[in-house]
Amino acid sequence: DTGVSQDPRHKITKRGQNVTFRCDPISEHNRLYWYRQTLGQGPEFLTYFQNEAQLEKSRLLSDRFSAERPKGSFSTLEIQRTEQGDSAMYLCASSPRGGVNIQYFGAGTRLSVL
Amino acid sequence: LAKTTQPISMDSYEGQEVNITCSHNNIATNDYITWYQQFPSQGPRFIIQGYKTKVTNEVASLFIPADRKSSTLSLPRVSLSDTAVYYCLVAGYNDMRFGAGTRLTVKP
Repeated sequence: DTGVSQDPRHKITKRGQNVTFRCDPISEHNRLYWYRQTLGQGPEFLTYFQNEAQLEKSRLLSDRFSAERPKGSFSTLEIQRTEQGDSAMYLCASSPRGGVNIQYFGAGTRLSVL
Repeated sequence: LAKTTQPISMDSYEGQEVNITCSHNNIATNDYITWYQQFPSQGPRFIIQGYKTKVTNEVASLFIPADRKSSTLSLPRVSLSDTAVYYCLVAGYNDMRFGAGTRLTVKP
């Protein structure tokens, strides 16, 4: 399977814990995006990378959210001190060099904060 | 920033053509319009993308008027398997705005 891969698919955590999600983009895609999707809503843009550079991060929901893509390949999204309102699906997408936002999405990580 | 709005739901019957319109009044010059299909517990799946006028591929057509303030996804001859949520995305270099989605139900 050469699509966008996200791990884990499901995460259950207790309020106050830190969680980290991983995204592996399609090989050689240089752009990588993170979104949050709550029930009944469209994906909400959080941040994106071009190679290892994080070009937009003002949409991260709070300073508890951070993302990295240290070598320009896989990326991680971390949420510190989780709150119940963080419960959602976290989606990752990637797009190829030169592609104007034809983004290919992974299946997402569903986070439940108890 | 472009705000995108879509109808919440639509019903259709097998074999009919379905048109779903998205409004994006504040679209910027460098924004593209992309449509996605999403099934439960899956990520959005790319359908079609355009900038202006008409684009057609093997599964859909996309109509964008000259002012680009709206776009219409056209699905020819839908089948039961097309029952899903359809999203429009208006995206520029640093801003991505999805609509809230249109839930399409195809009936036999």
